[in-house]
Amino acid sequence: DTGVSQDPRHKITKRGQNVTFRCDPISEHNRLYWYRQTLGQGPEFLTYFQNEAQLEKSRLLSDRFSAERPKGSFSTLEIQRTEQGDSAMYLCASSLALWEQETQYFGPGTRLLVL
Amino acid sequence: AQSVTQPDIHITVSEGASLELRCNYSYGATPYLFWYVQSPGQGLQLLLKYFSGDTLVQGIKGFEAEFKRSQSSFNLRKPSVHWSDAAEYFCAVGAGGGSNYKLTFGKGTLLTVNP
Repeated sequence: DTGVSQDPRHKITKRGQNVTFRCDPISEHNRLYWYRQTLGQGPEFLTYFQNEAQLEKSRLLSDRFSAERPKGSFSTLEIQRTEQGDSAMYLCASSLALWEQETQYFGPGTRLLVL
Repeated sequence: AQSVTQPDIHITVSEGASLELRCNYSYGATPYLFWYVQSPGQGLQLLLKYFSGDTLVQGIKGFEAEFKRSQSSFNLRKPSVHWSDAAEYFCAVGAGGGSNYKLTFGKGTLLTVNP
């Protein structure tokens, strides 16, 4: 069990560019989550997958954001036409949801800075 | 919708002193409660969790928390703080009834430890 990994750890981009982040969950975890954390705040839920199905998206997730988990393993989060307000830490978490008492384990995060 | 309040934005304690971090939640049914810790620039590490049963739960690094339904609280405690405990602490609630997936976090409490 190597834990949840995220790549890259840091990303600096210019406004209007597209960026893509990757998350590799703990193996055999069937649920994968994306959260966003801005300075001085707690993480906020963005979206989650059960296996390859995206089951819920927060209203925080504008049309410029898209997430995929094509084979039910790793996931990608893409932000198109980045804006300065997208600057944040993007956290990925995974869990093994066999029943409702699940525990989410977080990765180290990807810190995005949009100039 | 559930919510979490962490009344203390910043707490400073001396090394060796006891610690209590407050957490109040709002949720209409039985909550699932978590404490996570975040070191600067890092992801979140799970300290402890409460699903049901004994209201006093033990976690890693010598931390414990007590669930008090009557006060809607889940305060985190440690009898003797170490310098390495300096970090930001987040309380989170996950709804029960099959929808535990979406964690709602408080804004966090930053802990400073004086030598």
